[in-house]
Amino acid sequence: EILLTQSPGTLSLSPGERATLSCRASQSVSSSYLAWYQQKPGQAPRLLIDGASNRATGIPDRFSGSGSGTNFTLSISRLEPEDFAVYYCQQYSSSLTFGGGTKVEIK
Amino acid sequence: QVQLQESGPGLVKPSQTLSLTCSVSGGSIGSGNYYWNWVRQSAAKGLEWIGRVYTSGSTNYSPSFKSRVTMSLDTSGNQFSLKLSSVTAADTATYFCARRIPAHGFDLWGQGTMVTISS
Repeated sequence: EILLTQSPGTLSLSPGERATLSCRASQSVSSSYLAWYQQKPGQAPRLLIDGASNRATGIPDRFSGSGSGTNFTLSISRLEPEDFAVYYCQQYSSSLTFGGGTKVEIK
Repeated sequence: QVQLQESGPGLVKPSQTLSLTCSVSGGSIGSGNYYWNWVRQSAAKGLEWIGRVYTSGSTNYSPSFKSRVTMSLDTSGNQFSLKLSSVTAADTATYFCARRIPAHGFDLWGQGTMVTISS
């Protein structure tokens, strides 16, 4: 099973700042089969990034994904008030597993 | 616009079988190239993929649940279901149904349903 480790656990930032979230896999994720999700309290996760770097339909371009192999990054260029949430990475290269999440909170 | 909605008991006794249904509206569950999935979320384990049933009816389960999970597709009712047997308190979680295109992430989710395992 591919384990995904997300860091940091919590990121305290102000609106307008840049957020950089990390997702590290215990083994290589083939074909960049990695997705990122945003989840707000009481809601289901929402797909942001697919295939490591492709924004899902309707996702603003301030969200971007990069990486390959075992190291992946989600960047939010300028945080908007609605971006404060928990973010998860997920791989679908070998079975499916999720990371433990990074909470982006208002500083 | 396709929407998913989970339904089922919110309370299940230990050792019994948890049964949930996901109703699909706005599209036919039997057509297209989709995996229909169950994912759960708990404070202890976070997000966990349980398994999926393909449009054809074939299934694939997470090794963590394989021994006690059954999923099926009901094309006439346009819904799919989850049965998880021999439940314990560790199965207390919010259960989501979700859609995935092969080789992609989960693009559509239900709102989730909270299930508590308690006598």
